[in-house]
Parts: sequence; C-alpha cells; structure tokens
Amino acid sequence: DADVTQTPRNRITKTGKRIMLECSQTKGHDRMYWYRQDPGLGLQLIYYSFDVKDINKGEISDGYSVSRQAQAKFSLSLESAIPNQTALYFCATSDQVGPQHFGDGTRLSIL
Amino acid sequence: DQQVKQNSPSLSVQEGRISILNCDYTNSMFDYFLWYKKYPAEGPTFLISISSIKDKNEDGRFTVFLNKSAKHLSLHIVPSQPGDSAVYFCAALMDSNYQLIWGAGTKLIIKP
Repeated sequence: DADVTQTPRNRITKTGKRIMLECSQTKGHDRMYWYRQDPGLGLQLIYYSFDVKDINKGEISDGYSVSRQAQAKFSLSLESAIPNQTALYFCATSDQVGPQHFGDGTRLSIL
Repeated sequence: DQQVKQNSPSLSVQEGRISILNCDYTNSMFDYFLWYKKYPAEGPTFLISISSIKDKNEDGRFTVFLNKSAKHLSLHIVPSQPGDSAVYFCAALMDSNYQLIWGAGTKLIIKP
C-alpha cells in the first residue's frame, strides 16, 4: 500500500463546481503539503500544514482552501473551479528534517 | 521570476555513460538542495540532497556537486541505466522559509 494516497487520481469537472481532493498518509509525518504542477513548470506550493492546528499559504493559494482533519489527512478544495486550475496536483508529507514524500497525483481537468 | 532553473528540458545519454543534469539558482539564501526523480503517472521520489556547507554528496551511482560561487549544482549518474529514464527535478530550500522552490525538470532518456 502507498504511504501517501491521493483520491481521486483523475477528475473532470465543469467550471463553477466545488471540488475536493483528498490526501491521506501512513508515514506518521506531521507536515503535509499541496502542490500543483503545470506543463513545463516545476511544482508550486499551494498550502502547507506543520500540524493539525497550523496551516499556511504557499506561493499560489488564491482560489484554494485546505482542511487538516487529522494528522494523517489533508484535503484541498476548489470552491468554484475555473479552467486555469486544470493541472496535476500532488500531496506530500515530511517530518521536520527529512525530504518530502509524494503521492501519485491527481489529474484535474476543468471544462 | 524563476529562482531555480533547469535549462535543459531533455537529455539523451547512451546506456553505461555518464548523465549530467544541471541546475542554476539565483537566491544565495538557499541552504539546502534536493534532487527528485519522477516517472510518468507517479509522484516525485527523493533521490539525493546536499547542504550548502558541502560541495559534494555521493550515494551509489548518484553524485551531486554544488558550486556556491556560481550558484550551480549538478547531478551525475554513472553508469546510466535504462531505469534512470525519468524526469529529474532540482529543488531548493531556505530553512527559514520551509518552502521548496522547484525547477521545471529535465527529462532524461537513456538509450540502449
């Protein structure tokens, strides 16, 4: 079983819809992250959380919100999806000193 | 403005030869650098890292070199193997910022 699990793996939806992407981890890490990747670009940080009560905006948080329901769960929401949010989304986890470990991504298409 | 740049979108290398992937950065405050490898339909996986207080770190076939004066790092893979074909990302971290800044990636193709 994967240490970092993202659901769904693929999603196609329409402009204006609310979407939630979910991430769960079994690594026991305190820190969790959401990134998006656009073609030809590196990963950009959307939000990050260092524990259940600590949530921080990343580089590109506009249009997104997050919820850290438990140490193991971190969800990303698009309240009203727009086409330029079409991208590949990754969740990652880490402890205080180690590298980040990634899920396999969610491919999101907004029509 | 890209703080971490990987100027080669792709690189093709013969199996058994050395692969050299390059990364340049602009912010002298970065104090830790990481390389990740990504296969299609999978998330990035951590490969190797280097602290700014070092100029070399080696792990098996993988070696990362850091030249702080040139703000340049490189990943050497020797010998290259078919399973090394993937996209390689360079990322940089400022400890005070906790945020990884990523390059756009280089697609490495190992030819048999």
